Amino acid sequence: DVKVTQSSRYLVKRTGEKVFLECVQDMDHENMFWYRQDPGLGLRLIYFSYDVKMKEKGDIPEGYSVSREKKERFSLILESASTNQTSMYLCASNHRDRGFPGPQHFGDGTRLSIL
Amino acid sequence: AQSVTQLGSHVSVSEGALVLLRCNYSSSVPPYLFWYVQYPNQGLQLLLKYTSAATLVKGINGFEAEFKKSETSFHLTKPSAHMSDAAEYFCAVGPTSGTYKYIFGTGTRLKVLA
Repeated sequence: DVKVTQSSRYLVKRTGEKVFLECVQDMDHENMFWYRQDPGLGLRLIYFSYDVKMKEKGDIPEGYSVSREKKERFSLILESASTNQTSMYLCASNHRDRGFPGPQHFGDGTRLSIL
Repeated sequence: AQSVTQLGSHVSVSEGALVLLRCNYSSSVPPYLFWYVQYPNQGLQLLLKYTSAATLVKGINGFEAEFKKSETSFHLTKPSAHMSDAAEYFCAVGPTSGTYKYIFGTGTRLKVLA
């Protein structure tokens, strides 16, 4: 079974802090994603990575950055946390398109509160 | 541009009753469609996927979905609801060739009444 592991289930940080959310997958997936989930808004893509050191901005990249130094690990960084970044963050991964897009595999999420 | 619409943010059914969760999509090319389930405080799990091989797709936990091109729909059904089906359900359309974005609906929260 594919395992996508997010380092923290719950995290509380203060405004202005630099926050790191870590995600590791064990299935040698090329693609990794960071989403933000808010009630009534569904999942919104923050960043996508299709290979080591490669990244693409999603729909809401402002205030976030990412790092992918190794294939299995994709980090989301909140440069200076603000209260409007309080949310559930989901990491996902899948194989590169092999003729058709495959399903994404999700971690259990990190519920982040910024005080 | 692709889009997904889930009608009904909340659906309640009695235990043993039919579950019907609605999903309509918009796509300029044949879509790849997915249904996911999210239990409280967990990530999303794949229920089923449509990749054009068959219009009726069977998934896990007794769920199935039918792709209807004429109606641009991909509704999720289960003949008999169980208490354990209470969760949030998301419909998604996969990226078109050369792109990477999966487009998710806003979700439908299913409540099962005893």
